[in-house]
Amino acid sequence: AQKITQTQPGMFVQEKEAVTLDCTYDTSDPSYGLFWYKQPSSGEMIFLIYQGSYDQQNATEGRYSLNFQKARKSANLVISASQLGDSAMYFCAMREGPKTSYDKVIFGPGTSLSVIP
Amino acid sequence: DSGVTQTPKHLITATGQRVTLRCSPRSGDLSVYWYQQSLDQGLQFLIQYYNGEERAKGNILERFSAQQFPDLHSELNLSSLELGDSALYFCASSDRTGGNSPLHFGNGTRLTVT
Repeated sequence: AQKITQTQPGMFVQEKEAVTLDCTYDTSDPSYGLFWYKQPSSGEMIFLIYQGSYDQQNATEGRYSLNFQKARKSANLVISASQLGDSAMYFCAMREGPKTSYDKVIFGPGTSLSVIP
Repeated sequence: DSGVTQTPKHLITATGQRVTLRCSPRSGDLSVYWYQQSLDQGLQFLIQYYNGEERAKGNILERFSAQQFPDLHSELNLSSLELGDSALYFCASSDRTGGNSPLHFGNGTRLTVT
């Protein structure tokens, strides 16, 4: 069965510093995708970055990068040059597939990030 | 703006009642997902529809049901409500299933059961 673990309930980082948010996953499907979402205090869910299990390179999107270690089943999110606006909950999510129509995307418990000025 | 519309934004009702949450996906998206977010349970996958048909089921209670209509909007029906059903209910949509297509979330419906 799919499972996502985020072991850091809360994290603090100094403004302008880099921070790594951990995510480990469990799946028996060789084909899967991993997503990171941000949820600010306002409540909306914002898509940040995607990594496919067959992607040769780690995904990057602006200040976000994904440290993907397939053998360890980890997909850690790295935020560089933290900003005050990065303070939010961060969720790791996984989709097994590809499947033509069945699409159960599960989320980890989340990590609360606080950026300190 | 994700393009996913959820109504109502807030809903307050009493135990034992029934409510309907509505979701309009992004234009062109065929897949709709429902999630429940509560403080102690995180973001729980409830159910997924694709082009009008139920495709994947998660931890959805028997008191809950959903459907996706021909115009692709979706409704989540919650009945015999209990205090523990109080949560933020999210709808998300995707243009297809699988692959790198992200889920685009609505702003959620905050349900309070008193």
